Amino acid sequence: QSALTQPASVSGSPGQWITISCTGTSSDVGKYNLVSWYQQHPGQAPKLIIYEGSIRPSGVSNRFSGSKSGNTASLTISGLQAEDEADYYCCSYTGPPWVFGGGTKVTVL
Amino acid sequence: QVQLQESGPGLVRPSQTLSLTCTVSGGSISSGSYFWSWIRQHPGKGLEWIGYISHTGSTSYSPSLKSRIFMSVDTSKNQFSLRLSSVTAADTAVYYCARDMRVVGATTIDYWGQGILVTVSS
Repeated sequence: QSALTQPASVSGSPGQWITISCTGTSSDVGKYNLVSWYQQHPGQAPKLIIYEGSIRPSGVSNRFSGSKSGNTASLTISGLQAEDEADYYCCSYTGPPWVFGGGTKVTVL
Repeated sequence: QVQLQESGPGLVRPSQTLSLTCTVSGGSISSGSYFWSWIRQHPGKGLEWIGYISHTGSTSYSPSLKSRIFMSVDTSKNQFSLRLSSVTAADTAVYYCARDMRVVGATTIDYWGQGILVTVSS
């Protein structure tokens, strides 16, 4: 299984919104509505922020939203805050393996 | 709230076998709604799914690691384990255990351990 494709880095100013793309194939992202997104701060374990494409777990800010179109899933962070500076990973079920994206470093300018 | 904690040696010699255990607290490992996963992260790199095991012992492994992996589960101790044989420096990584939830409308890897750094070196 090949890794999903994410941009290496995305940046934005406080208060702005940014979008991170996650491109897979018709065997993973395009086939299953089972894309999750994780936020990882340095030295910490990944934290689930979106699952099944667009569902936020309890306690996750509504500034995070997810969507999918074809073979590409997207994570949007609105009202960017300093605490959002982290690495973000997408992950898709491929029945049964899971495959991750290479990660996107979000920088808050 | 479910918590997972990895344990095991932080240093393994090349060609030896890496052995890690994950202890689950705050919930039973015997629930049929979950699989129990191992995921690793090479230094400064992305995440790599290694495989999972169910409470009954059924497994799914990454095709690229399948020949070297063995996973087991001990429901009496609420633990599951990973063994990776014939390790090389390329296996140096932070290893995470995690819960793979399989509920209709909620299929995802949700809870993660804090991770354990395993270095392969002589």
